[in-house]
Amino acid sequence: NAGVTQTPKFQVLKTGQSMTLQCAQDMNHEYMSWYRQDPGMGLRLIHYSVGAGITDQGEVPNGYNVSRSTTEDFPLRLLSAAPSQTSVYFCASSYSKQFFYYGYTFGSGTRLTVV
Amino acid sequence: GQQVMQIPQYQHVQEGEDFTTYCNSSTTLSNIQWYKQRPGGHPVFLIQLVKSGEVKKQKRLTFQFGEAKKNSSLHITATQTTDVGTYFCAGKGGDMRFGAGTRLTVKP
Repeated sequence: NAGVTQTPKFQVLKTGQSMTLQCAQDMNHEYMSWYRQDPGMGLRLIHYSVGAGITDQGEVPNGYNVSRSTTEDFPLRLLSAAPSQTSVYFCASSYSKQFFYYGYTFGSGTRLTVV
Repeated sequence: GQQVMQIPQYQHVQEGEDFTTYCNSSTTLSNIQWYKQRPGGHPVFLIQLVKSGEVKKQKRLTFQFGEAKKNSSLHITATQTTDVGTYFCAGKGGDMRFGAGTRLTVKP
């Protein structure tokens, strides 16, 4: 099994550009989420989804959009990149049952630099 | 809002010494999870605790969940160089919030 696949692994953007970070999982997990990781700040939740067609905001959603048209895919869109969005982005998925969530499986991350 | 705090931020030990990291939440948690992230890697799930006062062991690692379900700890006995990395707790109150992590370095 591939688990959680994130692309690209590295990206450099200019301020104001837009792009989409891709995330796909093959474990039939209902729950998927996006985190950003900055030095000394741990992992902060950007957006999450409890199933296809359902998304919600996390702790730091501004400047990001998500959609969930299928169970497998959960892309993250940066609308107009800013230097403050330079970070490492992780996608994660989890098996869930009756609102109980099991351990997260993380992708290998996307290292994004905005210049 | 819900906050998860983790201490210490850094811990440097001599190989063979013990290590403990602590996690505290501002709200009662339904469960708590622990992850390990090697340098340059991604977080890897270690364990989940659900019950008040729960204690679980994985070889040299001991995990505890507090009676009030607002705190947790991870203890490593006799550290090895393979234990190097950052250990994160993550607690579910509303959504899942991660602590800032404890970075462990081990001197051979």
